[in-house]
Amino acid sequence: AQSVTQLGSHVSVSEGALVLLRCNYSSSVPPYLFWYVQYPNQGLQLLLKYTTGATLVKGINGFEAEFKKSETSFHLTKPSAHMSDAAEYFCAVTQVGNEKLTFGTGTRLTIIP
Amino acid sequence: NAGVMQNPRHLVRRRGQEARLRCSPMKGHSHVYWYRQLPEEGLKFMVYLQKENIIDESGMPKERFSAEFPKEGPSILRIQQVVRGDSAAYFCASSSQGGGAEAFFGQGTRLTVV
Repeated sequence: AQSVTQLGSHVSVSEGALVLLRCNYSSSVPPYLFWYVQYPNQGLQLLLKYTTGATLVKGINGFEAEFKKSETSFHLTKPSAHMSDAAEYFCAVTQVGNEKLTFGTGTRLTIIP
Repeated sequence: NAGVMQNPRHLVRRRGQEARLRCSPMKGHSHVYWYRQLPEEGLKFMVYLQKENIIDESGMPKERFSAEFPKEGPSILRIQQVVRGDSAAYFCASSSQGGGAEAFFGQGTRLTVV
């Protein structure tokens, strides 16, 4: 079984401030982890993913995430928020041999000018 | 290379009508997934298909919902006798291989049942 918990359904940060979106997962086997971004009335775009190897993963638009097995976490960060980062962010998990993604409930990020 | 194409983008149906949602995967992709997003919720897996085969339909409601991915043409998600609770965004994703490979999402079909 697999599940994802995203802490904070709404997060607001000032432009230029650090963005931290939290994701904890549960998986009975080594997970594959993903962060997706969804802009209003759009589909999901992959930001970054962890499968194996280096635990610090860099993605598009300056985002990165670190896989921490001991904490079962995969938090998403960006050093300096930009207005264009305002969107909904989803963390997702799957496993080798399991075809479906299990998504968290999402975090809506608001950027304050 | 066009992305995952879904149509229509918006669909309005009266209660009791049928809804047909279409998804054309990315070129070269033979794995298709359907997800449903209810308001203020994350995406929930519905069904996973490969060409002419349903591989995993564990997320599909037992009644009124069906999916296919024929040898030729797009994948179809069909909802018969729609009810208000079917109102949601339905997303299709495709990948070139399974096993956790990156899935690319379409822009979704927003179904409104009135």
